[in-house]
Amino acid sequence: DTGVSQNPRHKITKRGQNVTFRCDPISEHNRLYWYRQTLGQGPEFLTYFQNEAQLEKSRLLSDRFSAERPKGSFSTLEIQRTEQGDSAMYLCASSLLGRETQYFGPGTRLLVL
Amino acid sequence: GESVGLHLPTLSVQEGDNSIINCAYSNSASDYFIWYKQESGKGPQFIIDIRSNMDKRQGQRVTVLLNKTVKHLSLQIAATQPGDSAVYFCAETPPRAGNMLTFGGGTRLMVKP
Repeated sequence: DTGVSQNPRHKITKRGQNVTFRCDPISEHNRLYWYRQTLGQGPEFLTYFQNEAQLEKSRLLSDRFSAERPKGSFSTLEIQRTEQGDSAMYLCASSLLGRETQYFGPGTRLLVL
Repeated sequence: GESVGLHLPTLSVQEGDNSIINCAYSNSASDYFIWYKQESGKGPQFIIDIRSNMDKRQGQRVTVLLNKTVKHLSLQIAATQPGDSAVYFCAETPPRAGNMLTFGGGTRLMVKP
């Protein structure tokens, strides 16, 4: 399968713990995006990368959220000191530079107890 | 349609009928629009997109209509099938927002056999 992949698919953690999610984009896609989706709502943009450069991060929800894409391929999203309100689906998408269509992965569902 | 918390607007249609899902977008300067289908527990799946210089685009069994005067987008599905049952989201790319997608509230489509 050559689509966007995300790991893990599910994560249960206790409040205060740190969690890290991984996204592998479609192989030739330069742009990679992170979104958050809560139940009953559409995805909410968090941040995006063009190759290894993080071009927009003002939408990250707090300074507890950070993302990296060190080699311009896979990306990680880290949430430090998790809170119950962080429980959501975290989605990754990728696109080709110059093409608007974003293709989403299956998401990582986070539950903070 | 607008979502209110967990209560998504629902469209119920008979198998074989045509479906029309509506969406009001927010930014009159947005130049790209896209429809996604999301099944339970999965990431959004690309259906069809349209640029602002067009008012209609057709795909296989789907048509997107764009009315910029009233900032309205619609998705028409011909000969709706049980496999079309899902939540449908429209999204727009506001100007000067990089490639960030802003999603509307979803509509749940239920197809009765």
